[in-house]
Amino acid sequence: GEDVEQSLFLSVREGDSSVINCTYTDSSSTYLYWYKQEPGAGLQLLTYIFSNMDMKQDQRLTVLLNKKDKHLSLRIADTQTGDSAIYFCAEIPPDTGFQKLVFGTGTRLLVSP
Amino acid sequence: DTGVSQDPRHKITKRGQNVTFRCDPISEHNRLYWYRQTLGQGPEFLTYFQNEAQLEKSRLLSDRFSAERPKGSFSTLEIQRTEQGDSAMYLCASSFALDQPQHFGDGTRLSIL
Repeated sequence: GEDVEQSLFLSVREGDSSVINCTYTDSSSTYLYWYKQEPGAGLQLLTYIFSNMDMKQDQRLTVLLNKKDKHLSLRIADTQTGDSAIYFCAEIPPDTGFQKLVFGTGTRLLVSP
Repeated sequence: DTGVSQDPRHKITKRGQNVTFRCDPISEHNRLYWYRQTLGQGPEFLTYFQNEAQLEKSRLLSDRFSAERPKGSFSTLEIQRTEQGDSAMYLCASSFALDQPQHFGDGTRLSIL
């Protein structure tokens, strides 16, 4: 079947904006999520968006959703070295009974000083 | 801290041994999930509980794996006769309701010698 797709790697300089992109699989997915994972740690929920929205802003984070293209993006403004981590997008497709998160392979963000 | 708690954080064992992991969800979260994450990949769903009832199991969960949530609070995941391919990070998550986001613990990293 189709996979949730993310680019593998993104490198930015401190203070720049970062944009992490994701293409998900099911246009009927009701919620779409962004999680952050630091080395050796679990997943931290960053933000999520309901499918009837096309944008959500939360402090330095902006999520954009294009349902037609099944495209989700996460913009981090004023990126800091502490933002270096792996970022996962995830969906809950309806054919999972809206129970299971389906994750992409993650985008490793490296922020250099 | 009232987040999802997992124990142990790391487990090293020889092939063929049995291992058991524990997850304590966020208080009052009645949904509890287990995921497995291998190196360089996003987490994959293993199983899900609503209160004490195990409602779904992935085909990734072979008959060597068993999960319980006896009183609808903490959960255990046991792997019998471990194999090299079981080496992974085992993540637990919980949520308050069906349409609420899943919150993850820091995981148990299993290494099979």
